[in-house]
Amino acid sequence: GDQVEQSPSALSLHEGTDSALRCNFTTTMRSVQWFRQNSRGSLISLFYLASGTKENGRLKSAFDSKERRYSTLHIRDAQLEDSGTYFCAAEDYGGSGNKLIFGTGTLLSVKP
Amino acid sequence: NAGVIQTPRHKVTGKGQEATLWCEPISGHSAVFWYRQTIVQGLEFLTYFRNQAPIDDSGMPKERFSAQMPNQSHSTLKIQSTQPQDSAVYLCASSLTGMEVFFGKGTRLTVV
Repeated sequence: GDQVEQSPSALSLHEGTDSALRCNFTTTMRSVQWFRQNSRGSLISLFYLASGTKENGRLKSAFDSKERRYSTLHIRDAQLEDSGTYFCAAEDYGGSGNKLIFGTGTLLSVKP
Repeated sequence: NAGVIQTPRHKVTGKGQEATLWCEPISGHSAVFWYRQTIVQGLEFLTYFRNQAPIDDSGMPKERFSAQMPNQSHSTLKIQSTQPQDSAVYLCASSLTGMEVFFGKGTRLTVV
């Protein structure tokens, strides 16, 4: 079946540094959504992309518009409050549509 | 906008008992989803309604699990004869069809 491969599985950053998370898809996807799950378990939507790039503050996400088989999330100037688990989720073209297939998550820890 | 509301936030049931989980989607959203999250399996799709009609229940265990959406303002997930392996966080989400998906805070089900 469709798979979403997310990397890295864990990431430790010092405050002020930059990094990137990536999701590869085994098939062409219609859209991608990035979430952060906080310590209480709430899934907060960061970005929804059907193509191109979006930026919000220190976060920027891109969805490969040609092959539609990968997406990235860039974190600039990491802060302590960025810590949490980040998930990408993709919607494929087949089936009923709109069903999200989740990656396995990236556990991000930002240290002083 | 209160977001997607799930009740209860925590539920403990004895093995063999029934559990009913409730979800109130964001007003005006036509699509409602149920997901389950465990440490081992990650985030798994269960079922999906569009305009209250069941569209895709491919993720639902064939026995004991059922979902309903009797009106546009709420959906229920019922688990009969709960088993310890049903313990998980059950997440409800809603969206306008084909658009960004928003999640509730989840119901943590513990079967003892």
